[in-house]
Amino acid sequence: DQQVKQNSPSLSVQEGRISILNCDYTNSMFDYFLWYKKYPAEGPTFLISISSIKDKNEDGRFTVFLNKSAKHLSLHIVPSQPGDSAVYFCAFGSGGYNKLIFGAGTRLAVHP
Amino acid sequence: DGGITQSPKYLFRKEGQNVTLSCEQNLNHDAMYWYRQDPGQGLRLIYYSQIVNDFQKGDIAEGYSVSREKKESFPLTVTSAQKNPTAFYLCASRGDGNSPLHFGNGTRLTVT
Repeated sequence: DQQVKQNSPSLSVQEGRISILNCDYTNSMFDYFLWYKKYPAEGPTFLISISSIKDKNEDGRFTVFLNKSAKHLSLHIVPSQPGDSAVYFCAFGSGGYNKLIFGAGTRLAVHP
Repeated sequence: DGGITQSPKYLFRKEGQNVTLSCEQNLNHDAMYWYRQDPGQGLRLIYYSQIVNDFQKGDIAEGYSVSREKKESFPLTVTSAQKNPTAFYLCASRGDGNSPLHFGNGTRLTVT
């Protein structure tokens, strides 16, 4: 029962270009959507979130897009920087999200 | 500095032994969580606690036990009944409303 799919295990992007990370989900009860970033040997850190009543949320270089009809969540990073190289997890919650469901993660490498 | 402290960073045990992972937070958060991360998989919820002296099973609670005697502390015991205990364990806490999870830096447990 895989409610969340983060299909790309890795992504390589040139510095300055756009990075696009994607997640698909099946559970229509999800109403809160988050992205976390994780460096090796550290815990994930919260990056950006969006609620189900919106389709876009921006925070500096990071923008999260939600397409509810397609059940698709994406994260855009522009311009990408070498310090963005990390593993990115999408996460989904419902009803106060006591139980967040995480994707498998995408390893982003931003090279000069 | 407020945060979540997990100790130790690395832990080695022989098969058949119980082991307890420590998690302490000074963020004054009511809710605390334990997740497990395996290679190529997202974070999976083991147990969570919304308030002192109360906790609920997550998606993969079998072979684990927790206690929540103090607001600051949420230790996880990996028992000998857990069939595949070798993993990276992450503790998290959360404040009120839709505030995101804050994670510790994890404990890597190896059982041989």
